[in-house]
Amino acid sequence: DQQVKQNSPSLSVQEGRISILNCDYTNSMFDYFLWYKKYPAEGPTFLISISSIKDKNEDGRFTVFLNKSAKHLSLHIVPSQPGDSAVYFCAASGLGNEKLTFGTGTRLTIIP
Amino acid sequence: DADVTQTPRNRITKTGKRIMLECSQTKGHDRMYWYRQDPGLGLRLIYYSFDVKDINKGEISDGYSVSRQAQAKFSLSLESAIPNQTALYFCATSDPTGITDTQYFGPGTRLTVL
Repeated sequence: DQQVKQNSPSLSVQEGRISILNCDYTNSMFDYFLWYKKYPAEGPTFLISISSIKDKNEDGRFTVFLNKSAKHLSLHIVPSQPGDSAVYFCAASGLGNEKLTFGTGTRLTIIP
Repeated sequence: DADVTQTPRNRITKTGKRIMLECSQTKGHDRMYWYRQDPGLGLRLIYYSFDVKDINKGEISDGYSVSRQAQAKFSLSLESAIPNQTALYFCATSDPTGITDTQYFGPGTRLTVL
């Protein structure tokens, strides 16, 4: 049972435009959500996170939006740059539980 | 220098062989994790340890064992490797005193079982 779902395996976006990556979850006990970025031959690196008490968190070009009623979160990257080409994983954890449940990942390709 | 290191980075082995993957960290974190990544399945938790005396099974622990030799070292063993254990393996650490659940990953070990 996939509790965290990323339904788009891949996404291509023109350089300079907005990239929107989506993530859905089914477990209502999740209260903390993270996005990780992964380049080939490297481990995932933390990008941005959001607590369930917020609906938006922004860090430079990256913004994560959380819609608790829809159990949906999204990552917006604007403007998109070639270095943003990577696989992006959505992850979630429950209150006081440091185990993360990961989505299957979305491969983002930025077209110059 | 990398905060989380994994050895070896690549390994090819044969069915039935015993193999150990090693993870070391200099972040001073108590919590360590082992994941495997398979195409289309994302990252799945194999085992985790919240301190040297604590070992817990993750969602896919069958066929694997672990050893927490010290705060900084966490090893994953495949007692008798099989082809469907071919995957990318990641070690991660986290800090229980931090305000977030952020985990920090090593560079990964690509394991192929023939």
